[in-house]
Amino acid sequence: AQTVTQSQPEMSVQEAETVTLSCTYDTSENNYYLFWYKQPPSRQMILVIRQEAYKQQNATENRFSVNFQKAAKSFSLKISDSQLGDTAMYFCAFTEYGNKLVFGAGTILRVKS
Amino acid sequence: KAGVTQTPRYLIKTRGQQVTLSCSPISGHRSVSWYQQTPGQGLQFLFEYFSETQRNKGNFPGRFSGRQFSNSRSEMNVSTLELGDSALYLCASAQASQETQYFGPGTRLLVL
Repeated sequence: AQTVTQSQPEMSVQEAETVTLSCTYDTSENNYYLFWYKQPPSRQMILVIRQEAYKQQNATENRFSVNFQKAAKSFSLKISDSQLGDTAMYFCAFTEYGNKLVFGAGTILRVKS
Repeated sequence: KAGVTQTPRYLIKTRGQQVTLSCSPISGHRSVSWYQQTPGQGLQFLFEYFSETQRNKGNFPGRFSGRQFSNSRSEMNVSTLELGDSALYLCASAQASQETQYFGPGTRLLVL
């Protein structure tokens, strides 16, 4: 079964510090795509970062980077230099076929000043 | 490019009624997917349309249906509404298969 597990329901971090959000997933496929989306209080779902499973190199987007461990089926998100605007619900998701995204339960991240 | 748009943004309906939600994808995107978000069940995939054909379907009852038009705009219909259908309904569009999906602002449906 396709599942995504985010084991941290809530996290908090001080402004300018670094935080890592965890995600594990289960799939029997070898080719798939992984995503982190953020959903601020406005409820607008925003893409943070994307990783293709066939690529060994970890994806990076400015202050956001991932640690993709394919054998362990782990896909964590690291946010550096946290900003107040990073406060949001963060969802880990993956897709195997077509565009069906399977989401985790989410992690609420609060950035404190 | 304009983003994904959804109308209406808010809806209040009563049990037993039906509702139609609309989604206009980003220009050039041929895939439209629908998701239901509730506090209890989280984000769940409803269905995906690609070039007017339903390509994938989630585990929802037949009361939930959709379609896609030749201009890639999509509609989702829920018949015989139940209280449990109260949710945020999100639409996402993508250029092709396994491409990044971009989400609209959602339609918040309240069933009384």
